[in-house]
Amino acid sequence: QLQLQESGPGLVKPSETLSLTCSVSDGSITSSFYYWGWIRQPPGKGLEWIGNIYYSGSTYYNPSLGSRVSIAVDTSKNQFSLKVSSVTAADTAVYYCARQRGYSYGWIDYWGQGTLVTVSS
Amino acid sequence: EIVLTQSPATLSLSPGERATLSCRASQSVSRYLAWYQFKPGQAPRLLIYDASNRATGIPARFTGSGSGTDFTLTINGLEPEDFAVYYCQQRSSLLTFGGGTKVEIK
Repeated sequence: QLQLQESGPGLVKPSETLSLTCSVSDGSITSSFYYWGWIRQPPGKGLEWIGNIYYSGSTYYNPSLGSRVSIAVDTSKNQFSLKVSSVTAADTAVYYCARQRGYSYGWIDYWGQGTLVTVSS
Repeated sequence: EIVLTQSPATLSLSPGERATLSCRASQSVSRYLAWYQFKPGQAPRLLIYDASNRATGIPARFTGSGSGTDFTLTINGLEPEDFAVYYCQQRSSLLTFGGGTKVEIK
């Protein structure tokens, strides 16, 4: 059974860069037809799809987040990562990594448990 | 952006009862709709995709229906492990999620 695990700092200062890594186990990140993505949920608010990446490096982002977001993949480590620059309190959220199948906007068939990132000085 | 509106926000039911959850889209999403189950401390789980297809390992008591703008998730005979928060999600245009329905024990 595929497993995804988020890791990274739980506290980030305003204006700095949030960095998270997702480790994939019991499955290969280079499997065809799967995209590796990030979703977040601010406390008490709804879920927001951030974007995803294919193992080849092709990326797809939610336009609402502008150019502050970047997703990268490290196939040698079976990991992918998320960076959000110039963070504010509005970026405080539970961040989930996930696998999407079939398409860049495909269904999310596996999720990590999520990790809370708080933006505060 | 396609907005998904879920109702009710909270559903209070007893084990064994039927749960009926609604998801309405602001414009047609054809059948590009999924349902997910969220439980505290656990990885969320895909239940239904393409409006009515059960994901691998999902019990038959979970049924999805609908197309266009109106969708329903029905849970026939609630089990103790079914009390959770359920979200719908569309992929017709980018990916957006509904606000969720909490199914709680009455």
